[in-house]
Amino acid sequence: DIQMTQSPSSLSASVGDRVTITCRASQSISKYLNWYQQKPGKAPKLLIYDASSLQSGVPSRFSGSGSGTDFTLTISSLQPEDFATYYCQQSYSTPPTFGQGTKVEIK
Amino acid sequence: EVQLVESGGGLVQPGGSLRLSCAASGFTFNRYWMHWVRQGPGKGLIWVSHIDGDGRSTTYADSVKGRFTISRDNAKNTLYLQMNSLRAEDTAVYYCARGGAYSSSPFDSWGQGTLVTVSS
Repeated sequence: DIQMTQSPSSLSASVGDRVTITCRASQSISKYLNWYQQKPGKAPKLLIYDASSLQSGVPSRFSGSGSGTDFTLTISSLQPEDFATYYCQQSYSTPPTFGQGTKVEIK
Repeated sequence: EVQLVESGGGLVQPGGSLRLSCAASGFTFNRYWMHWVRQGPGKGLIWVSHIDGDGRSTTYADSVKGRFTISRDNAKNTLYLQMNSLRAEDTAVYYCARGGAYSSSPFDSWGQGTLVTVSS
């Protein structure tokens, strides 16, 4: 199975900050990397697919980049509604695997 | 609007069985791979199983292989997960998620989840 490692596991940031979360795969996954946002008690929501494609309806302050083994999710200007846990997930091979999550908290 | 609504969760004793359902609406159900993903209390997301649009191709996580069975009824637009020989470590919120035309498609819609608690 492909292992996905996110960093950091948690971070504190202020509204308006630029936030970057990284995700590393244990082997090359080409562009097949997706990002999800999950708020407490809610289902995950797809933000970015295929490393850099913005899911319909997702604000443009979210962006993704990377290929191969190293990927990044960037929030250009953190908003109050962005405080949540973010997960990366590889869809290159079965089983699809998730990173351990990055919790974004209010500073 | 795509809607996925899970049901069937609850409290079950170790060794027991439970069947989860996921009622789908708002899209052509038989054109999509469907998945089950679970999340233990305070834990991350773990993929459990998937099934293709026709119901002919299924795959399972090693942790549930031989105990869980995924199926679908395209006439009823419903996805199922039959869970047997349940263990304490199966305790989790179980989500159904819509994939795409391929097994590698991202999970673009999720249900609200149903809680399964395995305890004596």
